[in-house]
Amino acid sequence: KNEVEQSPQNLTAQEGEFITINCSYSVGISALHWLQQHPGGGIVSLFMLSSGKKKHGRLIATINIQEKHSSLHITASHPRDSAVYICAVRYYGGSQGNLIFGKGTKLSVKP
Amino acid sequence: NAGVTQTPKFQVLKTGQSMTLQCAQDMNHEYMSWYRQDPGMGLRLIHYSVGAGITDQGEVPNGYNVSRSTTEDFPLRLLSAAPSQTSVYFCASSYSGGRGRSGNTIYFGEGSWLTVV
Repeated sequence: KNEVEQSPQNLTAQEGEFITINCSYSVGISALHWLQQHPGGGIVSLFMLSSGKKKHGRLIATINIQEKHSSLHITASHPRDSAVYICAVRYYGGSQGNLIFGKGTKLSVKP
Repeated sequence: NAGVTQTPKFQVLKTGQSMTLQCAQDMNHEYMSWYRQDPGMGLRLIHYSVGAGITDQGEVPNGYNVSRSTTEDFPLRLLSAAPSQTSVYFCASSYSGGRGRSGNTIYFGEGSWLTVV
């Protein structure tokens, strides 16, 4: 079964800390998404990666295709970054509408 | 653009009742999907569509029905609600990408909290 594993499940950080969330998957993929789910439930797309690295503001996402692993980094974390971060992949041969999701990493940033 | 509009936001149903969750997008996206989110589990795909007139089953399709008569709309029907269908439902859409646009960014509706009693 194709699976997506995220670590850690829960993460508590102090404001200003550098944060890393990890995602690993089991077989070849054509795309990987990082999503943010706010406490109210809304889900926002942060990044879509097929190779390399992307940066947006304080967020950096990397992917290593050979190792089947991706990381999401948050620099200078802030309490407003508190949310659940979700990794999702589209496997080779899968439709774009057909994603497999990790269970999410719940991040809490304390002031 | 309104993005992805999902209604209703909250609904309580009795076992055996039927209902339709509505999803509409105004971005001319080909791909639309319905997911359910349960505590301790990742989002799971119920049904998806790659274009008007084309739908397919996802991981957990039983008890749900979909149709895609237009590019904009992708309703999800619960045929005979069961307590196991108590969940949060998300509709999502995405563009096939290319031509320097947002590519394969996924857009989600705000979610529908459904309770079946």
